[in-house]
Amino acid sequence: QKEVEQNSGPLSVPEGAIASLNCTYSDRVSQSFFWYRQYSGKSPELIMSIYSNGDKEDGRFTAQLNKASQYVSLLIRDSQPSDSATYLCAVNSGGAGKSTFGDGTTLTVKP
Amino acid sequence: EAQVTQNPRYLITVTGKKLTVTCSQNMNHEYMSWYRQDPGLGLRQIYYSMNVEVTDKGDVPEGYKVSRKEKRNFPLILESPSPNQTSLYFCASSFRVGLDGRYHEQFFGPGTRLTVL
Repeated sequence: QKEVEQNSGPLSVPEGAIASLNCTYSDRVSQSFFWYRQYSGKSPELIMSIYSNGDKEDGRFTAQLNKASQYVSLLIRDSQPSDSATYLCAVNSGGAGKSTFGDGTTLTVKP
Repeated sequence: EAQVTQNPRYLITVTGKKLTVTCSQNMNHEYMSWYRQDPGLGLRQIYYSMNVEVTDKGDVPEGYKVSRKEKRNFPLILESPSPNQTSLYFCASSFRVGLDGRYHEQFFGPGTRLTVL
């Protein structure tokens, strides 16, 4: 089992719809969780971080964390064509600095 | 401008010829890390550094070396490159956030595309 697993995709949604991206992790001591967006040929950029159970909203993005279920998700409301990218889930374990990324989910938003 | 820089951006080399990929950040970040990205395998951590002279292995350290003699620089060294090290390499740095500094929100460099023939 991979340490961090994401829904494999690709995921395609129409413009204006909600895109839902999911991630599960295996290490119960994981303490910090991140979503990065990576456009084709570019480097990853941080879009959301979440550290405690519940929801965290930032504009059109909402991250959800459930540590009991070892599950973290990203919702993108009112999806735009500019949201088309690969989304990477990342998990850090404590302060040790070890970061584990999922393989990514490629999202396409169709006009 | 706050940034992470990598050099070179593109490199084609031959098996066994030692090379160094440089990484520098101007944000005074304590934490730096190297990743490789391969199709279907996502981003995999090679080495990371919590501070000057403090480094540790990530998930795929074999065939790589790092050093952290200065806070801003974290070079990646391939002493004897092999074709299976052909990949896209990213350097990242982060500040530590949170009450006890446990969390790392990483800023990535532009990437170095390495081909080993």
